[in-house]
Amino acid sequence: GPKVLQIPSHQIIDMGQMVTLNCDPVSNHLYFYWYKQILGQQMEFLVNFYNGKVMEKSKLFKDQFSVERPDGSYFTLKIQPTALEDSAVYFCASSPDRGEKEVFFGKGTRLTVV
Amino acid sequence: GDSVTQMQGQVTLSEDDFLFINCTYSTTWYPTLFWYVQYPGEGPQLLLKVTTANNKGISRGFEATYDKRTTSFHLQKASVQESDSAVYYCVLGEASSGSWQLIFGSGTQLTVMP
Repeated sequence: GPKVLQIPSHQIIDMGQMVTLNCDPVSNHLYFYWYKQILGQQMEFLVNFYNGKVMEKSKLFKDQFSVERPDGSYFTLKIQPTALEDSAVYFCASSPDRGEKEVFFGKGTRLTVV
Repeated sequence: GDSVTQMQGQVTLSEDDFLFINCTYSTTWYPTLFWYVQYPGEGPQLLLKVTTANNKGISRGFEATYDKRTTSFHLQKASVQESDSAVYYCVLGEASSGSWQLIFGSGTQLTVMP
């Protein structure tokens, strides 16, 4: 079936440094998402992105976070600077469009801030 | 705002047991409801979907029925197998101002003993 690829699968970074998480969405999908999951806890919505713009972001999407997808390349989540509480698994997802469509998730990037 | 409640954090069964996982939701709109399943090391994947047009979803032996009166969307399976061990998320699709996102419940860890 359709695959969302996330690179890297694990990332360890020093607090205060910048990190970029990369996502290769399903081909021809137009709607992209990032979710955050702290170990053993709930999947929490961060942001969605459509037609080059952020459509909606949650309170978890701090000012230090940004997303972009330059020229149809990777859909990225950048955190600058990182904080200890940013340690979590970040899941990228995509869907053909908005609405009642299936959303496909990647395997996640485990980010550890030390 | 919209929300999803799963009260059962963990469920442990034996093979061939009946599975029932509670889910209730809260929304001011016509809901689109999903069950997603997450296996270890993977992202969530769609198990089944229900809209107001078709109030029952069935997939791989699992079924869920949307009940508007009780705002419930419980998941059932007549006979579980060890391979069904995973985390099950009740999910509400939320559309607002051109945006679309999935709101996850807290998840139910199902463990099926051989």
